[in-house]
Amino acid sequence: DQQVKQNSPSLSVQEGRISILNCDYTNSMFDYFLWYKKYPAEGPTFLISISSIKDKNEDGRFTVFLNKSAKHLSLHIVPSQPGDSAVYFCAAPRTGNQFYFGTGTSLTVIP
Amino acid sequence: ETGVTQSPTHLIKTRGQQVTLRCSSQSGHNTVSWYQQALGQGPQFIFQYYREEENGRGNFPPRFSGLQFPNYSSELNVNALELDDSALYLCASSLGTSFSGELFFGEGSRLTVL
Repeated sequence: DQQVKQNSPSLSVQEGRISILNCDYTNSMFDYFLWYKKYPAEGPTFLISISSIKDKNEDGRFTVFLNKSAKHLSLHIVPSQPGDSAVYFCAAPRTGNQFYFGTGTSLTVIP
Repeated sequence: ETGVTQSPTHLIKTRGQQVTLRCSSQSGHNTVSWYQQALGQGPQFIFQYYREEENGRGNFPPRFSGLQFPNYSSELNVNALELDDSALYLCASSLGTSFSGELFFGEGSRLTVL
């Protein structure tokens, strides 16, 4: 069973516009969430996280929003840059730092 | 500071064979986690090792086994390979097992089973 779901396999956005990547989860007991970014031929790297006691966390151009009632989180990238083109995974903890990952969304930012 | 390194980067095996994948953790890290990423899927947690002991296991059969050595490097062994074992195997190291222990991933070992 998929605990964390990303229903959009791909997304294309023009440079300078907003990118919105979505993630849904099934377990209301998850107490925090993370986003990882993966370039081809590289391992995933941590991008941003959010605790379940917050509904927003911002880090520069990246903002994550959490809607607990809808069991939904989203990652906003503003403005999008060509270097942001990568696969983005949302993740939630099964315990500690052991994670369930979504299937990923491949973002392409068009110059 | 040395990052997480994995070997080999690519390998091809045939069904029924056995494979060993290796991971050197980042300097100062005492925890190694292994993930399997099949094509078009997200990473799936296989198991985690903390101070040479298994500390959690995902939904993988016993033919997936692991080791962690005193220097905190780790091996993933898969016996009786099946076609569905074809995937990218990712190793991640961290300092500790709590939620604050950020994972640092290696580039992965891509296994193809024919």
